[in-house]
Amino acid sequence: NAGVTQTPKFQVLKTGQSMTLQCAQDMNHEYMSWYRQDPGMGLRLIHYSVGAGITDQGEVPNGYNVSRSTTEDFPLRLLSAAPSQTSVYFCAIRRKFQLTDTQYFGPGTRLTVL
Amino acid sequence: QKEVEQDPGPLSVPEGAIVSLNCTYSNSAFQYFMWYRQYSRKGPELLMYTYSSGNKEDGRFTAQVDKSSKYISLFIRDSQPSDSATYLCAYRDRDDKIIFGKGTRLHILP
Repeated sequence: NAGVTQTPKFQVLKTGQSMTLQCAQDMNHEYMSWYRQDPGMGLRLIHYSVGAGITDQGEVPNGYNVSRSTTEDFPLRLLSAAPSQTSVYFCAIRRKFQLTDTQYFGPGTRLTVL
Repeated sequence: QKEVEQDPGPLSVPEGAIVSLNCTYSNSAFQYFMWYRQYSRKGPELLMYTYSSGNKEDGRFTAQVDKSSKYISLFIRDSQPSDSATYLCAYRDRDDKIIFGKGTRLHILP
């Protein structure tokens, strides 16, 4: 997981609580994404950012907020956690519009909402 | 329904066999495809990418795109127990987002 860190590694929340999943990179890549992975569902894109100050929605954005104030950080906020948000969350980085470039994934955050 | 479909498996094959993993896609405008490998409790890692149609080979791995049938394939020759993982196909859409299939779990039996 070159250059992408995610914190925390594990988290248990109660329904209705809020929290922020952190993602940081040291590779100066413009493009950052958040995915969630559920059994049998593959990776689904939540939100993404093509650069500081720019964010957009992916496939499953409801219940999540993001912001991108710096190139390095892309936090994912759960405003009011629900059991349906129990999942493994991955942050990913890559260079923008470089078709053959690798997308690097962080180690993931395992979230359980009770 | 996702625009790329993938059989979740699990697929179990004996060591040394040739493995064939497949995806189908619906949008003929897609041109850039990727295969990712994910070991248990790890993040995915890029295995191969392909563009448009044809084959691309890298060691024991061959990626193939058949645009006429909208089929993406990954072949693994001389499969090893260390190849046991989940394999995810993916494509870049026209907004440069990378969208994944559901993944196929592969078990190579020693």
